[in-house]
Amino acid sequence: ETGVTQTPRHLVMGMTNKKSLKCEQHLGHNAMYWYKQSAKKPLELMFVYSLEERVENNSVPSRFSPECPNSSHLFLHLHTLQPEDSALYLCASSQEERETQYFGPGTRLLVL
Amino acid sequence: GIQVEQSPPDLILQEGANSTLRCNFSDSVNNLQWFHQNPWGQLINLFYIPSGTKQNGRLSATTVATERYSLLYISSSQTTDSGVYFCAVGNPNQAGTALIFGKGTTLSVSS
Repeated sequence: ETGVTQTPRHLVMGMTNKKSLKCEQHLGHNAMYWYKQSAKKPLELMFVYSLEERVENNSVPSRFSPECPNSSHLFLHLHTLQPEDSALYLCASSQEERETQYFGPGTRLLVL
Repeated sequence: GIQVEQSPPDLILQEGANSTLRCNFSDSVNNLQWFHQNPWGQLINLFYIPSGTKQNGRLSATTVATERYSLLYISSSQTTDSGVYFCAVGNPNQAGTALIFGKGTTLSVSS
């Protein structure tokens, strides 16, 4: 138990669906992150939020839309995804940017 | 951007053996973290170690920033040590806070 939870743990969706991934951290951290982990590829940073402000967006397609309503919650809204978006999506948090990151268990997403 | 290379890519050990995992990086870093990902996908932070040496139980890590490498030592390995070990670095010359991950070392420990 790292103090970071993610729901759902597994998700299967069609290319026309809209779904959301949720991340919650119970550590009092100020920074939160979304990562994508595809098979045979290194983890890729998608978004960074610091004090609820988005500070990084690493050229992620617009079909992925993050939302950080407060410092404890982070969402990733998904719409019109492609099969190549199937991956493990990981949320992480840290006290401040550039500090130790704590990861949630991930959401395994399959796009059909 | 900064390159992160981990070696070996795969490692098979008998329980009780010791091992050393290596992480080389191509530029200066102000952030280096080692993670263990278990077979179910959970990533656990092992060390935050941009420089120096740290120990935590059977695990220890050393980063020699001037020579651009870090080592993770696992002693008396156990089956629960199996999984993928990632090194991730942050570059002060790079805007933002991105951690760049290596491809990992997959460790299998058998009893």
